[in-house]
Amino acid sequence: QKEVEQNSGPLSVPEGAIASLNCTYSDRGSQSFFWYRQYSGKSPELIMSIYSNGDKEDGRFTAQLNKASQYVSLLIRDSQPSDSATYLCAVNTGFQKLVFGTGTRLLVSP
Amino acid sequence: EPEVTQTPSHQVTQMGQEVILRCVPISNHLYFYWYRQILGQKVEFLVSFYNNEISEKSEIFDDQFSVERPDGSNFTLKIRSTKLEDSAMYFCASSERDHEQYFGPGTRLTVT
Repeated sequence: QKEVEQNSGPLSVPEGAIASLNCTYSDRGSQSFFWYRQYSGKSPELIMSIYSNGDKEDGRFTAQLNKASQYVSLLIRDSQPSDSATYLCAVNTGFQKLVFGTGTRLLVSP
Repeated sequence: EPEVTQTPSHQVTQMGQEVILRCVPISNHLYFYWYRQILGQKVEFLVSFYNNEISEKSEIFDDQFSVERPDGSNFTLKIRSTKLEDSAMYFCASSERDHEQYFGPGTRLTVT
């Protein structure tokens, strides 16, 4: 069974701080990795994709991938209350199928 | 900005009835997907569809489920005989290639 693991949280950070979200996956053959944001009652919204080892930055978001450790992370700089949501890690295990983690709930306090 | 649309937003049906959930993927996308999320649980893959055929399906996607692209824009998920445990949010997604998948707003299916 191909698994994606995340700490369910909540992760509480003050406004302006860096939020660090982590994810591990079990399928060593996975090739592409995604972070989605999901507000309560809404659908997953794609915020980052990463395909190779290292860092990828997009605005306040940085995704980090370490395939040797089977580890993906998302950093959110200058966190805002509007960033409060559940962040889903998703891994493409091949054949166009995304396997999702349970998500980490992030709370950003003003 | 192009987006995936889904109808209806909420569907209530009785156990044993057939339901069809509809999706309009992003227009230049070639890959289409259905996922579901039972309340409080993780998003689960159901099926992927490319070139007018199923590419992959999960163990959830049994004979009660089917998908169809009846025309150039719509993508549908049919559940033939709904069960109580089919109650969930159903998300359609599409991708241009085998990469970033963009999700629609979802259909909340309630089976009574």
